[in-house]
Amino acid sequence: DTEVTQTPKHLVMGMTNKKSLKCEQHMGHRAMYWYKQKAKKPPELMFVYSYEKLSINESVPSRFSPECPNSSLLNLHLHALQPEDSALYLCASSQGIFVMPTNTGELFFGEGSRLTVL
Amino acid sequence: AQKVTQAQTEISVVEKEDVTLDCVYETRDTTYYLFWYKQPPSGELVFLIRRNSFDEQNEISGRYSWNFQKSTSSFNFTITASQVVDSAVYFCALRTYNQGGKLIFGQGTELSVKP
Repeated sequence: DTEVTQTPKHLVMGMTNKKSLKCEQHMGHRAMYWYKQKAKKPPELMFVYSYEKLSINESVPSRFSPECPNSSLLNLHLHALQPEDSALYLCASSQGIFVMPTNTGELFFGEGSRLTVL
Repeated sequence: AQKVTQAQTEISVVEKEDVTLDCVYETRDTTYYLFWYKQPPSGELVFLIRRNSFDEQNEISGRYSWNFQKSTSSFNFTITASQVVDSAVYFCALRTYNQGGKLIFGQGTELSVKP
């Protein structure tokens, strides 16, 4: 079983809706990530949080708004999305954002939230 | 620049065949990690293995084995006696010290194991 839990697993929304994706981890990790994945493509990084602060924003449109309420939770707020935003949204966590001998380096991913924008 | 190349887009084998998935990476950093992930149709990316730049030991885990060669910047993955459950998309990924946590993925190789 994955130790990164994402809800909901499936979401259908209209272009005027406001919804949120949620992610939770209890591994004590201090880095959390949002990735977007289109069919037949590798995941693309959207945001990185380190110690609950936004560390990287990969020039993501403002209709995606991340939030990290605490070290275990990561949300992605969605508003006024476009049909091309339909994708699998993956949350991940890791011990930290730096590669070092004390940091095992791997990211652990959740099962993803499959989003369809009508 | 950091880059990961998986030249094989799709591979199809018959059950019990051995199959090797290729991965070539580029980085100027001396400290980095390489990973393999498996993504079954359910969507979750499952971590398989990590290798750091200072450890070129090959590894075997059951039917899986990995060959890391810094001289050719390659990190290949072999499945021995493939099974239908091995059908998935496999991603090779690179993470370097100064990229702030970014995981750079290859394009993925879709493996289909037929009975």
